[in-house]
Amino acid sequence: ETGVTQTPRHLVMGMTNKKSLKCEQHLGHNAMYWYKQSAKKPLELMFVYSLEERVENNSVPSRFSPECPNSSHLFLHLHTLQPEDSALYLCASSQVDIRDTQYFGPGTRLTVL
Amino acid sequence: GESVGLHLPTLSVQEGDNSIINCAYSNSASDYFIWYKQESGKGPQFIIDIRSNMDKRQGQRVTVLLNKTVKHLSLQIAATQPGDSAVYFCAVGNNRKLIWGLGTSLAVNP
Repeated sequence: ETGVTQTPRHLVMGMTNKKSLKCEQHLGHNAMYWYKQSAKKPLELMFVYSLEERVENNSVPSRFSPECPNSSHLFLHLHTLQPEDSALYLCASSQVDIRDTQYFGPGTRLTVL
Repeated sequence: GESVGLHLPTLSVQEGDNSIINCAYSNSASDYFIWYKQESGKGPQFIIDIRSNMDKRQGQRVTVLLNKTVKHLSLQIAATQPGDSAVYFCAVGNNRKLIWGLGTSLAVNP
């Protein structure tokens, strides 16, 4: 596999729930990313962390809250989501920054009811 | 704004034939170009990349061609195999920004 794991693989939640997505990379990389993948849309970069500091936040609604406690782990905390937030959420890591090859996890398929 | 587009959302080829997937981009300042492959149930997987100082790069059974004049990028897969069936994405970058295309779904017929 790619060295990037994501849990859970599938998640169904109501609009009032709070849940978290977890990503872990075993590649010794310094940058981690959250992407949203929706049908018929390009991959959307949500957040970028480099050396555990958030370096990019692409106008993502505050109902998505990332956390990077160390260079190997990345979380995406979800609360009061909307049905249009249903998508595949992909985590990726790379050596230093976005110009380096990114290694993706398998994604979490999120359904918001 | 910047955009990356693909000419065909789907492509169907016979096993053993060569496949060509095309991508167009809008920003002439783009300086790196990447192809990813995404199989069902998996995340995108890096295939090959090319920098703007090159116009061709070859890997194992894959070749990427870059035409900066017309802002066009292509991925060629030689002797396409059933295992090549996937969605192929191009991503185009400059500085610290990476723009993704929509993806071309490649189906390989036996």
